[in-house]
Formats: sequence, C-alpha cells, structure tokens
Amino acid sequence: QMQLQESGPGLVKPSETLSLTCSVSGASINTIGYYWAWVRQPPGKGLEWIGSIFSGGNIHYNPSLKNRIIISVDTSNNQFSLRLRSVTAADTAFYFCARDGVILNGGVMLAGIFDPWGPGTLVTVSS
Amino acid sequence: EIVLTQSPGTLSLSPGEGATLSCRASQSLTSSRLAWYQQRPGQAPRLLIYAASSRATGIPDRFSGSGSGPDFTLTISRLEPEDFAVYYCQQYGSSPFTFGPGTKLDI
Repeated sequence: QMQLQESGPGLVKPSETLSLTCSVSGASINTIGYYWAWVRQPPGKGLEWIGSIFSGGNIHYNPSLKNRIIISVDTSNNQFSLRLRSVTAADTAFYFCARDGVILNGGVMLAGIFDPWGPGTLVTVSS
Repeated sequence: EIVLTQSPGTLSLSPGEGATLSCRASQSLTSSRLAWYQQRPGQAPRLLIYAASSRATGIPDRFSGSGSGPDFTLTISRLEPEDFAVYYCQQYGSSPFTFGPGTKLDI
C-alpha cells in the first residue's frame, strides 16, 4: 500500500525559503501516468492546491504562487520536493503531499484528483 | 479561476440520519470533473468521490455523489459516528485546481 510522508523544518523565518520533501513508499514514483502534488491548508482554514509534477518533469503550478515555487522530483530516492521562497506569515500552513491522478479502466488518467495523501506537516513562518 | 461554493456551512445531524451536502461551481465543470474529500480533525483529507459520482477505492456505499454542470451533491445515508467531519468539494476541470470552503458535519 502506497504511503507518503512529508518532512522538513517546522519553522521558517520571514523572507527565507521553505523546503519540504515527500517520501513515497510502497510504490515507485515513476509509476506511469501519475503526477505528484502539494496542497496546503492554513490552520483552521481551507485547502489550496500548490502545484503538481509528473515524474518525467512536466509541472503545473498554481498561478497565485508560481513566481515563488519550485517543485522537483528525485526518482532515485523516490521523493519529490517543494521549495517556496520569500515566505511570509501568510505561508504558515499544514503542507500535504499527495499522488495526483486516477487511472480509469481504459487507461485514461484523470489529473487533479488527490489520493492518497501524506499526514501533513505544519510549517510556521515566524522570526 | 473556478470558485466553488458549498452549503450549508455547518450541518448538525445525528447518527443514523441522512445528510445532503451541496457544491456549486462558478461555471459549468467539464465532464463533471468534481471530487469530494472528507477531513477528520487532525488528519489529512481522504478522497471519497471523483468524476462527480464514482466512489474511490474502499469508500462505503453509504457515500454517493451526483450532479453535473455547476451543481453537485454529496449524499451520506445512515450517518456513522466517524462520518462527522469536514467535507470539501474540489474541481479538476480547469487549472488552477480549486477547493470549496467546506461543510462541517456536526453531531
């Protein structure tokens, strides 16, 4: 059974760069057809899609964050990562990683459906 | 960007009752590209429904989804204690993918 686990610093100073890694176990991140996504949730608030990366390197970012984020994949370590630069208090949130996509019986992949998810990690931006 | 609105904001019910949650998109969703997630306190969201009406693997059949165009519904029959959580709809027909603000299902 596939599992995802986020890791990274829980505290980042304003204007610095937030860096998180998602480790995937139970399946290869190279599994054909899937994207890998980051979603965040400020404490007590709703969910925001950050971006998704295909194992081959194709990337989709949320335009609201596009100028500040980099998502990358490390197939040799079965991981993918998020870097968010120039953070402010507004970036304080639980950050979740998830597999992005559902493959239907006919082999068609529907992107933008997140399952399964990692447990999430809280990143606080504060000096 | 497609904006999703969910109603009601909070729904207070008892175990054994049925629940109907609504989600409306600011424009018609291509091919009913709408998903529903359940989030229990302190946990990550869990996929329940995709393509408006297809249950995800392992989801009990008391959860069902319906709808098309801009209007969608999640129905939960015979509420179990573990069903009391926050439910989010999400569209994946147009980038950026967006979520609704959630409906809290309260005992």
